[in-house]
Order: sequence, then structure tokens, then C-alpha cells
Amino acid sequence: KQEVTQIPAALSVPEGENLVLNCSFTDSAIYNLQWFRQDPGKGLTSLLLIQSSQREQTSGRLNASLDKSSGRSTLYIAASQPGDSATYLCAVSPNSGYALNFGKGTSLLVTP
Amino acid sequence: GAGVSQSPSNKVTEKGKDVELRCDPISGHTALYWYRQRLGQGLEFLIYFQGNSAPDKSGLPSDRFSAERTGESVSTLTIQRTQQEDSAVYLCASSLRQGVGEQYFGPGTRLTVT
Repeated sequence: KQEVTQIPAALSVPEGENLVLNCSFTDSAIYNLQWFRQDPGKGLTSLLLIQSSQREQTSGRLNASLDKSSGRSTLYIAASQPGDSATYLCAVSPNSGYALNFGKGTSLLVTP
Repeated sequence: GAGVSQSPSNKVTEKGKDVELRCDPISGHTALYWYRQRLGQGLEFLIYFQGNSAPDKSGLPSDRFSAERTGESVSTLTIQRTQQEDSAVYLCASSLRQGVGEQYFGPGTRLTVT
């Protein structure tokens, strides 16, 4: 059974700092990996999708990397802003390509 | 274009009652997924549809849970004889087709069983 772990569970940083969120998974036979953000009381917003054949994806201040063989992904956020405060979720899709297995998330607080 | 919508946004029900939760996927998305997020826990996969078929129902937690999809569009998740442990946020997502592209999530239905 695929286990997805996110470290740290919570993180507080001052505005402007660069930060890294970590995600690890136990079964490297994945189809893709997706990073989401979840704001309190809201649904999930997709941030980045990395296919299993890719090493990284970038969108604005966000960069996600994938090392499938070691079962790791990182989400790098540059020049953090208070509006980045949210819970960040990592999810992997198995080779059959449907159900996402989610980590429990990293709760990020960026203070002004 | 509209995103994934879900209704109701909040539902409070008494233990033992049946509830129906609705999901409208993005138009043209043939794959639809249901997940559950209980307080303090990660999202759990419940069921997915490719078209109107649900090839894998193994994620449904008990036989009190059922789901259907019609017209390759709207899906309903039904929970019969609700229990307090069913309290959770139920999230629906859709994607272009199974395994293709990102899954786009709706805002969820918060179910509270009293």
C-alpha cells in the first residue's frame, strides 16, 4: 500500500524567505505526482503536476522536483508571501492512473 | 468555464438518516472521483467513475455508501443510515479522463452527523 509522508507537518516563516516542503512515498511505481494547496474551508487548488518521466515543473515562484527512484518530491517556494499561507498537500497517482494517495499536508504560515 | 461544483456546501443530519451529496464535474471531463477528508486526517479515496462506470469500489468504507453517475456528468454519493464517524468533508474531483491530466477539485460538502 502506497504511503505518502510530508515533512514538516507545520512551518512558520517570515515573509520573503525561500522554503522547501518535502514529500516522500514508499512505492516508486507512480504515474504522476501532484501538489495542491488547501485554504481553510475551501477545496483543493492544483499547483503543479509532474509526470513520472519528468524531473521538475515550475510555475511562477513555485518549483516542484521529483526523484522517483528515491521516492521523493520537494516543493520550493521562492520569496514567500503572507498569501502563501495554506496547507500544502502532496499526492501520488499509481500506475493505473486514477486514485490519488495523499499525504497529510504541511501547514504553512508566512508572517508579515 | 465553470469548475467542479458540489452541493450542498454544508449538511447537518441526525444519526441514522440517509444523505445524498451531489457533484457536477467540469464539462467534458469523463473521469470523476470522490474523496473523504476526516478531521485531522489525510484525504481518503472512495470511488472513481470513468464515464458512467465505476470500475473500482474498493475504497467505499462500508455497504452504507454508494455512488452513481449519469450522463457522464452529475454524480451522487449516498450514505445510508449515517453514523457519527461519517462526519467529514466529502470532496469531488474530475479529470479529462482516467489518469490523464490534473484532477480538479470542488469545494467539498461538509457533513456533520449529530
